[in-house]
Amino acid sequence: AQSVTQLDSQVPVFEEAPVELRCNYSSSVSVYLFWYVQYPNQGLQLLLKYLSGSTLVKGINGFEAEFNKSQTSFHLRKPSVHISDTAEYFCAVSERNTGFQKLVFGTGTRLLVSP
Amino acid sequence: GAVVSQHPSRVICKSGTSVKIECRSLDFQATTMFWYRQFPKKSLMLMATSNEGSKATYEQGVEKDKFLINHASLTLSTLTVTSAHPEDSSFYICSARTGLAGFQYFGPGTRLTVT
Repeated sequence: AQSVTQLDSQVPVFEEAPVELRCNYSSSVSVYLFWYVQYPNQGLQLLLKYLSGSTLVKGINGFEAEFNKSQTSFHLRKPSVHISDTAEYFCAVSERNTGFQKLVFGTGTRLLVSP
Repeated sequence: GAVVSQHPSRVICKSGTSVKIECRSLDFQATTMFWYRQFPKKSLMLMATSNEGSKATYEQGVEKDKFLINHASLTLSTLTVTSAHPEDSSFYICSARTGLAGFQYFGPGTRLTVT
């Protein structure tokens, strides 16, 4: 069964600095990978997704992520963060053997951007 | 883009009463809808998967008699928390998906507080 690990529960960073949020997954079959962002008291918004093809995926708000199959990672990056990027970020995976139906989420990483 | 709404956004109820939460896909037909529960500072836990016109599939450990799910149409699913107790207080989020390989679009969530 798949699992998703987000080792960093919280990442503090200064405005305009680069940031990387780490995500590792465990699965023995083909996967789809996702990053979602959640602002306080709101639902989840899709940032980006990897289904197939190019391993570098660009998303909204200047975020990108790179799929690394050998390291089973899908780290999220942004070269220069804004105060408004402060939110909870969730990595999620779905597997081929569930028909890519179910999403399994990591525990989330809180990004705190300060001036 | 695909929009999913939830109603109500917040609800406070007394212990022992039942509460119904609606999830609607506004501009697309959702073949499958998902219900998640999110505890404070925790990840999303899938409660159940519902397909239009059929019974919901519940995840292990989720009481189907307590969390009643109805997916009566391609645009509406409801979650009823029956005989609610304070431990049912949580943030409930639904998502909707179109097609087998479609992505999940998330609603804004419903904050349930049971007093």
